[in-house]
Amino acid sequence: IQLTQSPSFLSASVGDTVSITCRASQDIAVFLAWYQQKPGKAPNLLISGTSTLQSGVPPRFSGNGFGTEFTLTISNLQPEDFATYYCQQLNSYLFTFGPGTKVDIK
Amino acid sequence: QITLKESGPTLVKPTQTLTLTCSFSGFSLSSTGVGVGWIRQPPGGALEWLALIYWDTGTRYSPSLQRRLTITKDASKDEVALTMTNLDPEDTATYFCAHSPDSALGHFDSWGPGVLVTVSS
Repeated sequence: IQLTQSPSFLSASVGDTVSITCRASQDIAVFLAWYQQKPGKAPNLLISGTSTLQSGVPPRFSGNGFGTEFTLTISNLQPEDFATYYCQQLNSYLFTFGPGTKVDIK
Repeated sequence: QITLKESGPTLVKPTQTLTLTCSFSGFSLSSTGVGVGWIRQPPGGALEWLALIYWDTGTRYSPSLQRRLTITKDASKDEVALTMTNLDPEDTATYFCAHSPDSALGHFDSWGPGVLVTVSS
């Protein structure tokens, strides 16, 4: 299963609301996770199972979707949110990551 | 608190075999549903899943790299090892190990800091 993300790059300002879309080449039900990665650091899990926010992740992050189309929304963008975001799926015990979306400061 | 840390050579010659070790604490790889995976990231590139081993010793591999990978666990030492054969400069990447808490949902909730492996003669 292949994952695509759009956009690949996103320029936004503090306080904006942004959305990132992840599309799967086949139906993956709700088995999708989102990660945030900052330069030189390991990825950090934000959301699992499409919409379950991980402990300690601010509620301005939210996820939704089902099947083949999923969205990560960041409301009221904060300076610490500028990073690269990856989606990741599990299907038939095989994992795939999306190509990433870089969120930069406008 | 779950922690993981990768270790292994940072410079490998083409055609050689790479063995990386993931040492972990804060969880048991004998607990039902738990797994440890390996993911890599080339410089400036995206994440690529490589392999995962489950609590029941079941293993899964990336189809594109399956012929070159072996993942094993040593439950007595809380370690997971990844072996990759016939290395190529394109295998230059930061290699991460990560904890998967739920074999059904399939996400990685704790990661090691990663180890940069350079493949060069």
